[in-house]
Amino acid sequence: AQSVTQLGSHVSVSEGALVLLRCNYSSSVPPYLFWYVQYPNQGLQLLLKYTSAATLVKGINGFEAEFKKSETSFHLTKPSAHMSDAAEYFCAVRGGDNFNKFYFGSGTKLNVKP
Amino acid sequence: DAGITQSPRHKVTETGTPVTLRCHQTENHRYMYWYRQDPGHGLRLIHYSYGVKDTDKGEVSDGYSVSRSKTEDFLLTLESATSSQTSVYFCAISESVVNTEAFFGQGTRLTVV
Repeated sequence: AQSVTQLGSHVSVSEGALVLLRCNYSSSVPPYLFWYVQYPNQGLQLLLKYTSAATLVKGINGFEAEFKKSETSFHLTKPSAHMSDAAEYFCAVRGGDNFNKFYFGSGTKLNVKP
Repeated sequence: DAGITQSPRHKVTETGTPVTLRCHQTENHRYMYWYRQDPGHGLRLIHYSYGVKDTDKGEVSDGYSVSRSKTEDFLLTLESATSSQTSVYFCAISESVVNTEAFFGQGTRLTVV
């Protein structure tokens, strides 16, 4: 089965600082890759997705992620954090052994300090 | 927003009782999924469906069953609820395998006492 690893269950940054959330996956076959955001008591919303076009993917709210096949990584970044970015972020993978399924990481809670 | 409705949104039930959660979509998407979300575990797949009457197990399927008799509805049943099934349950849909993401419902908070 596919595994998705998000390093750091909690990340804290200052407002205006760089946001870097890490995601690594296990598949040797490049899958489809996604980042989702979840605000309290809500469902998950798509931030961005990689589907084998450009390796640098831009998403909503100023986020972007870079697919690096050699590192099996898909890290999420944002140049300047805003208070409204405080939420939980999930990396997800579709593919590897079974393209019917989505596999999710355990999530990273982002705290933004004023 | 994708047309996904989960019902009920909140439920408290007693140990040993059967419980059914419903997911209804208006998007005519082929794939439907049930996940549970627990702190520290992210989202774990319970069951999914790749078409009417076509379902398969996920990683945490023990104690759960599903049915999909129509494209728009995907039911999750806890056959005999246990306290370990206290969780937030999310339904998701996806149009196809290629190039498409999952869209999520708002979740159902289930408490088993």
